[in-house]
Amino acid sequence: AQKITQTQPGMFVQEKEAVTLDCTYDTSDPSYGLFWYKQPSSGEMIFLIYQGSYDQQNATEGRYSLNFQKARKSANLVISASQLGDSAMYFCAMREGRSYIPTFGRGTSLIVHP
Amino acid sequence: EAGVAQSPRYKIIEKRQSVAFWCNPISGHATLYWYQQILGQGPKLLIQFQNNGVVDDSQLPKDRFSAERLKGVDSTLKIQPAKLEDSAVYLCASSPSPLSSYNEQFFGPGTRLTVL
Repeated sequence: AQKITQTQPGMFVQEKEAVTLDCTYDTSDPSYGLFWYKQPSSGEMIFLIYQGSYDQQNATEGRYSLNFQKARKSANLVISASQLGDSAMYFCAMREGRSYIPTFGRGTSLIVHP
Repeated sequence: EAGVAQSPRYKIIEKRQSVAFWCNPISGHATLYWYQQILGQGPKLLIQFQNNGVVDDSQLPKDRFSAERLKGVDSTLKIQPAKLEDSAVYLCASSPSPLSSYNEQFFGPGTRLTVL
């Protein structure tokens, strides 16, 4: 079974608008964490934001925020005020137990229109 | 600070040929990872090194893939012989030590392999 599901293969957003990228996960381990990475066309995976399963508040990093709904097992990424440079692949990933090595989803392609 | 370096950036080979990829981690990083990213999928961990020792190679197809990190610094990933399904981007990553937090792993730009 897929541990990380990203149902949106592609998303389009107008510059300066907000966009939400969906991610659902599956785990039975009470200790886990959710990551979001950005992969531009240059290829490297860039860490954006992290949410631990015991964290009380939703994580935020600048224009990125993570909408963590534990009961629904979802960890959606919200990008506010989209910029042209946000166009890239976005990957949701999860770690479980004591390991911090991420297991990745299939990714969502985001295109920001001027 | 220099990032993770990988070469070559692109490689095209015929099936059944051999190929090798090189990775130089961030200076001082003891832990090195190789990932395989097939088109349309997220990266999958192939092997993890701690210094020059293998920590986890459970997902490495050992009949054709091999990796080494002889001096505990740079690393080479080899495929021999290559199959069509090996076409992918091979990402190298490093961290100062085995991951104990969420923001310690840094990725290189990857090597895109096409097997014809």
